[in-house]
Amino acid sequence: LAKTTQPISMDSYEGQEVNITCSHNNIATNDYITWYQQFPSQGPRFIIQGYKTKVTNEVASLFIPADRKSSTLSLPRVSLSDTAVYYCLLTSGTYKYIFGTGTRLKVLA
Amino acid sequence: DAGVIQSPRHEVTEMGQEVTLRCKPISGHDYLFWYRQTMMRGLELLIYFNNNVPIDDSGMPEDRFSAKMPNASFSTLKIQPSEPRDSAVYFCASSLPRMGRDNEQFFGPGTRLTVL
Repeated sequence: LAKTTQPISMDSYEGQEVNITCSHNNIATNDYITWYQQFPSQGPRFIIQGYKTKVTNEVASLFIPADRKSSTLSLPRVSLSDTAVYYCLLTSGTYKYIFGTGTRLKVLA
Repeated sequence: DAGVIQSPRHEVTEMGQEVTLRCKPISGHDYLFWYRQTMMRGLELLIYFNNNVPIDDSGMPEDRFSAKMPNASFSTLKIQPSEPRDSAVYFCASSLPRMGRDNEQFFGPGTRLTVL
């Protein structure tokens, strides 16, 4: 299964835009790029998913370049409540999710 | 819907005892997953079911672990006998495939298991 690589941790301040980049050099044609968010003591929660170009929803944007070998999750104007672990996954119609270690985002006041 | 329900939320037991974790998936979801999360290994998929049938149990660590899904609204994960290294948070998740949201999984709150 294709693997993803993302930074272990990031710090940001309230009100700033946060961009978390994920590398997936061996992405397959039928892979979607999916991001989950996990708060302490909770299960992961779906944030956004895309295949190519740009996807935007009420909480985030996902930017995917033409070669699809990387992707960037963008969180606009973060608040303290966005402190969480963010996982980048490749999903392709199978259910064997590989979550990896994720990126631990800490938002500071 | 109340979401995925897991019980108990916390379990403390002694080594050698049998542990049973329970899960109620979201009504109508036909996929159910069991995960384990530890600091060392992160979030690992143990087993998943489709329409109550186990599809892939390659993540189940040993024969001490077993999972069942007797009907569409209930699943159990059993550890017998339990060992201290089984201490972890166990998550159950369910999914209903639909267009545009490839395999989105909905996770329960987890069961924190401590084996002394």
